[in-house]
Amino acid sequence: QVQLQQSGAELTKPGSSVKISCKASGYTFTSYDISWIKQRPGQALEWIGAINPGSGGTGYNEKFKGKATLTVDKSSSTAFMQLSSLTPEDTAVYYCAREGWYLPMDAWGQGASVTVSS
Amino acid sequence: EIVLTQSPTTMAASPGEKVTITCRASSSVSYMHWFQQKSGTSPKPWIYDTSKLASGVPDRFSGSGSGTSYSLTISSMEAEDAATYYCLQRSSYPLTFGSGTKLEIK
Repeated sequence: QVQLQQSGAELTKPGSSVKISCKASGYTFTSYDISWIKQRPGQALEWIGAINPGSGGTGYNEKFKGKATLTVDKSSSTAFMQLSSLTPEDTAVYYCAREGWYLPMDAWGQGASVTVSS
Repeated sequence: EIVLTQSPTTMAASPGEKVTITCRASSSVSYMHWFQQKSGTSPKPWIYDTSKLASGVPDRFSGSGSGTSYSLTISSMEAEDAATYYCLQRSSYPLTFGSGTKLEIK
């Protein structure tokens, strides 16, 4: 079955960077885009951007340009998101989701919690 | 950016009650998609392409709408339907979600 397994919780300081991973299994990794979504505590979902694992092509929400960088490693079927220059406003759960051919975001990772605190 | 406004923000319904959640877009979109999220878990796809139920979604759920106005309806509320529901548009970038509707059971 399709699974997206994300890396664990991160506690980090303002000004630092963090790299979250999303390992895919149960399907052909290069055939589906991966979206990344932010959810601050008690808040709504925000789309950060998406990557095509086959080509490496990316698309970002303008709000997250310069903040998030999306990459993939095809050899391990893993997508990554690096967040830089972290501030407390980056404290959130970050999800990866597979973009289905017919059904948007048809499979989700369990979420990776990032806490930014001095 | 297309802004999606959901209403109500929160609501409580009794078992058996009919529930309607609306999602209004700031510009016309081709389709609306809906997700269900329960506390502490990842969102689940619930309704896609405005009216198609995702796998496993009970048929008491339905979706409708066009242009700038869409809705999710539960014909008869059940306890397991208590959750937060989000709408999503993919008609233009950036993709945007609604602010969510928290549905509770009375």
